[in-house]
Amino acid sequence: DGGITQSPKYLFRKEGQNVTLSCEQNLNHDAMYWYRQDPGQGLRLIYYSQIVNDFQKGDIAEGYSVSREKKESFPLTVTSAQKNPTAFYLCASSPGTGVRTEAFFGQGTRLTVV
Amino acid sequence: KQEVTQIPAALSVPEGENLVLNCSFTDSAIYNLQWFRQDPGKGLTSLLLIQSSQREQTSGRLNASLDKSSGRSTLYIAASQPGDSATYLCAVRPKTSYDKVIFGPGTSLSVIP
Repeated sequence: DGGITQSPKYLFRKEGQNVTLSCEQNLNHDAMYWYRQDPGQGLRLIYYSQIVNDFQKGDIAEGYSVSREKKESFPLTVTSAQKNPTAFYLCASSPGTGVRTEAFFGQGTRLTVV
Repeated sequence: KQEVTQIPAALSVPEGENLVLNCSFTDSAIYNLQWFRQDPGKGLTSLLLIQSSQREQTSGRLNASLDKSSGRSTLYIAASQPGDSATYLCAVRPKTSYDKVIFGPGTSLSVIP
């Protein structure tokens, strides 16, 4: 059953702590993305990756880091430098960046600072 | 810079009504436009993808149209059902930054039984 799996579904972070959100896809997609969603706002792009071992900053990359060591995996680390990390995080993938590519999303991780 | 807006922000209709959701974008240079559905606390489910060369796409009770010249897309839902209640988002893939997808803020739809 192909798709995108995000884990955990809920995550709690203490002040000053780094946490890592997992995103795995078995769709054989080249491109992967991380978005942040806050209440009343649209999705904002954090980081994206078009191929293995390569990634670019999105619109709100400060306080976040990523890696793309494998095609199927694109973990996101929320560092202590991110001052307001409480949000809903969505991972997406697409076959590539061509004109006919369709984006597919995981079920999200809700991160809360306690 | 490409911006995407959606009107209305929220909509409540009685079951059985036909309805239209609107999406506007500021730069007509796009590769495609995609409509998504999001249930509370869930990820996004792709509904329809319209290429820039297409005028509309249909899937079941859903029909999406695209008018690139005016920077508009509409999502038409026929014979609405309570199960259609969700937030609907549109997103465009700009030609100037084709590796990004720009999202609108969404329309929250509530279908009343």
